[in-house]
Amino acid sequence: AQSVTQLDSHVSVSEGTPVLLRCNYSSSYSPSLFWYVQHPNKGLQLLLKYTSAATLVKGINGFEAEFKKSETSFHLTKPSAHMSDAAEYFCVVSDSGGYQKVTFGTGTKLQVIP
Amino acid sequence: NAGVTQTPKFQVLKTGQSMTLQCAQDMNHEYMSWYRQDPGMGLRLIHYSVGAGITDQGEVPNGYNVSRSTTEDFPLRLLSAAPSQTSVYFCASKTQGSGSYEQYFGPGTRLTVT
Repeated sequence: AQSVTQLDSHVSVSEGTPVLLRCNYSSSYSPSLFWYVQHPNKGLQLLLKYTSAATLVKGINGFEAEFKKSETSFHLTKPSAHMSDAAEYFCVVSDSGGYQKVTFGTGTKLQVIP
Repeated sequence: NAGVTQTPKFQVLKTGQSMTLQCAQDMNHEYMSWYRQDPGMGLRLIHYSVGAGITDQGEVPNGYNVSRSTTEDFPLRLLSAAPSQTSVYFCASKTQGSGSYEQYFGPGTRLTVT
């Protein structure tokens, strides 16, 4: 069975300060991991993905995430928050085996304070 | 390419009514899925399909039916709507064969059951 835990339901940062959104996972297979972003009343957009190549993954809009197998973590970071980063972020795990079942975390709402 | 399309965008139903949410994709993706999104719960998988004629249940399948007669279409049927089915519904598709492929999401259908 696979699962995803997003450790914070809400994160608030000031504009220009670093962002850290935390995600832990469990998976029976070698997982693929994703971060998606959802702006208010919008659909979901892929930020970045890890697929067993480089453990440090760079995504769009200056975001990156590091896969740490020993810690079963895939935390999302950005050096400097922008007002447009205010959104909800979802960590997602996908098994490599079977039907590649996909499991979403419960989401982290990022607030950026001017 | 239109990507993943969903109709309708908004729907209000009375308890006990039935309806079908439509989903279509033009990317020749084998894998299609339906999620519901509720506040604080992330996206929960309702049903998924790995190809025409093959469907399986996800995390929250009760009250919903699916079928997959073509690669392009994956409709979701609500048999007898209940207020607990008030939610935002997202359809997604991806290439099958590896868990590393990201999902592409439709714009969502906001359903209210009174």
